[in-house]
Amino acid sequence: QKEVEQNSGPLSVPEGAIASLNCTYSDRGSQSFFWYRQYSGKSPELIMSIYSNGDKEDGRFTAQLNKASQYVSLLIRDSQPSDSATYLCAVNIFWNTGANSKLTFGKGITLSVRP
Amino acid sequence: NAGVTQTPKFQVLKTGQSMTLQCAQDMNHNSMYWYRQDPGMGLRLIYYSASEGTTDKGEVPNGYNVSRLNKREFSLRLESAAPSQTSVYFCASSARQEFLYGYTFGSGTRLTVV
Repeated sequence: QKEVEQNSGPLSVPEGAIASLNCTYSDRGSQSFFWYRQYSGKSPELIMSIYSNGDKEDGRFTAQLNKASQYVSLLIRDSQPSDSATYLCAVNIFWNTGANSKLTFGKGITLSVRP
Repeated sequence: NAGVTQTPKFQVLKTGQSMTLQCAQDMNHNSMYWYRQDPGMGLRLIYYSASEGTTDKGEVPNGYNVSRLNKREFSLRLESAAPSQTSVYFCASSARQEFLYGYTFGSGTRLTVV
């Protein structure tokens, strides 16, 4: 069973702090990794993608990938109350013969940013 | 640019009733997906269609059927609804190289079976 695991939450941080969200995956052949944000009652929205080892920064968000250790993380700097949401990690995992890949999602972690 | 459009947004069914959830995308995407999301279970893939004319089972296909009507539309049918199918259903689509671009989700259908 190919899996994507996110550390249990919920996670609560004060406004202005750094929020660190982690995700591990089981398939060493995975090539691409995504972070989705989902506000309560809304649909998932893609906020970050990363394909190679290292860091990728976009505004207050930084995605980090370590393929050797099979983990991907999302850092949110200067956290704001508007960042309060559930964050889903998604990994492309090859199914069956390996000819096709699909995204497999973690269960998500809920972040709460306290004013 | 509408993206992925799902209808209806809310639905209440009685046990045993049938219904079809509609999904259409206007991004010329090849692949389309149906997920259900339940508390503590995350997103679970029901069915997917890698291209027009093909459909395949996902992780939780029992009790559902799908039709890829054309490149734009992918519908999900519940033939005999059960309370266990109470959930939020999301349709998604992706370009051929989904591993590069990820998925775009519709706004969801909140289904209650009583």
